[in-house]
Amino acid sequence: GAGVSQTPSNKVTEKGKYVELRCDPISGHTALYWYRQSLGQGPEFLIYFQGTGAADDSGLPNDRFFAVRPEGSVSTLKIQRTERGDSAVYLCASSPGLALGDEQFFGPGTRLTVL
Amino acid sequence: TQLLEQSPQFLSIQEGENLTVYCNSSSVFSSLQWYRQEPGEGPVLLVTVVTGGEVKKLKRLTFQFGDARKDSSLHITAAQPGDTGLYLCAGVWEYGNKLVFGAGTILRVKS
Repeated sequence: GAGVSQTPSNKVTEKGKYVELRCDPISGHTALYWYRQSLGQGPEFLIYFQGTGAADDSGLPNDRFFAVRPEGSVSTLKIQRTERGDSAVYLCASSPGLALGDEQFFGPGTRLTVL
Repeated sequence: TQLLEQSPQFLSIQEGENLTVYCNSSSVFSSLQWYRQEPGEGPVLLVTVVTGGEVKKLKRLTFQFGDARKDSSLHITAAQPGDTGLYLCAGVWEYGNKLVFGAGTILRVKS
């Protein structure tokens, strides 16, 4: 069985550009999470979905960040007008549900570099 | 304000030595987890501790959860080069199971 996959693995863009990062969760997992990991830091929560709806987007840093999961499977994290401070590894995780103890399985991440 | 403080930030030891990594929280979470992350990969769950005073063992790794459920430790016995990696503790919020991570401890085991 495939794990969580993320594409692209690396993305280099220029300041002010728009980027999309994709996450394919483990089949059948209803919960999907996005985290951001800056150099030398642990992952920081951004948003999570239960099915198609964003259940908690309190970690999104500002309105330049947006995420969707239209069919309850694949999710896309969208960043508008990128800034150098957005450079980080963006991690996606999925879990079977939201029951306490449901393990989150992480993808390898997308390394975003904003020049 | 960092909710979870990990120490030390970096540890470099020789193969066969023992080590302990600490995780201290300013909040009480529903549970606490330990992860290991290698370069270019996502974190992988090692253990979840739930009950104050709980001790769990995973081969040469021993995890403890403090009585007040606000601190935890990871002890590795006879470290091996394969233990090299970034060790992260994470608090689990009851609602939504979202994770709050510490900054991590980079462990390097030299042969």
